[in-house]
Amino acid sequence: QQQVKQSPQSLIVQKGGIPIINCAYENTAFDYFPWYQQFPGKGPALLIAIRPDVSEKKEGRFTISFNKSAKQFSLHIMDSQPGDSATYFCAVWGSNYKLTFGKGTLLTVNP
Amino acid sequence: EAGVTQFPSHSVIEKGQTVTLRCDPISGHDNLYWYRRVMGKEIKFLLHFVKESKQDESGMPNNRFLAERTGGTYSTLKVQPAELEDSGVYFCASSLLDRGRYNEQFFGPGTRLTVL
Repeated sequence: QQQVKQSPQSLIVQKGGIPIINCAYENTAFDYFPWYQQFPGKGPALLIAIRPDVSEKKEGRFTISFNKSAKQFSLHIMDSQPGDSATYFCAVWGSNYKLTFGKGTLLTVNP
Repeated sequence: EAGVTQFPSHSVIEKGQTVTLRCDPISGHDNLYWYRRVMGKEIKFLLHFVKESKQDESGMPNNRFLAERTGGTYSTLKVQPAELEDSGVYFCASSLLDRGRYNEQFFGPGTRLTVL
């Protein structure tokens, strides 16, 4: 049973576009919602994260929107650049101390 | 400061052989995690060490997988005997220990295991 559903599986945008990646979770016990960015040959790296007591968090060009009642959260990348091309994973974390990931979204930003 | 390191970066073995993966966490990180990503699927939790003790090994697929963490420092993950379905990328992550709150997990580059 997949606890975190991520979409789309892949996404292609032009430079300057605003890709949006969505995640939905099932268990309300989670209390930390990070996004990880992974470049080829590297491990995932924390990009931005949000706690459920806020509805939005912005860091630079990256924004998380969080809808607690719908159990959904999304990543928006403003003014996307070719260097943002990577695989993005949403994840959830709870009191069991482990991360549960979505399947990942392969983002390609064309010049 | 050095990040999480993993060895080897790639391993190609035949079905039935044994492989041992190694992870060196960031110094001072008591939490150590192993995850695996099978192609096209999510990154799945395998197990969690706190220092040298196994805190949670609920994600270990079966008893062909054995993880150890010697003296609370580096960790090894042994697969014996390897099966085709064990192919994937094995990630190690480490974090500081602070019960009750999230501490960023830092991931290594992974070991890509191919079982033929």
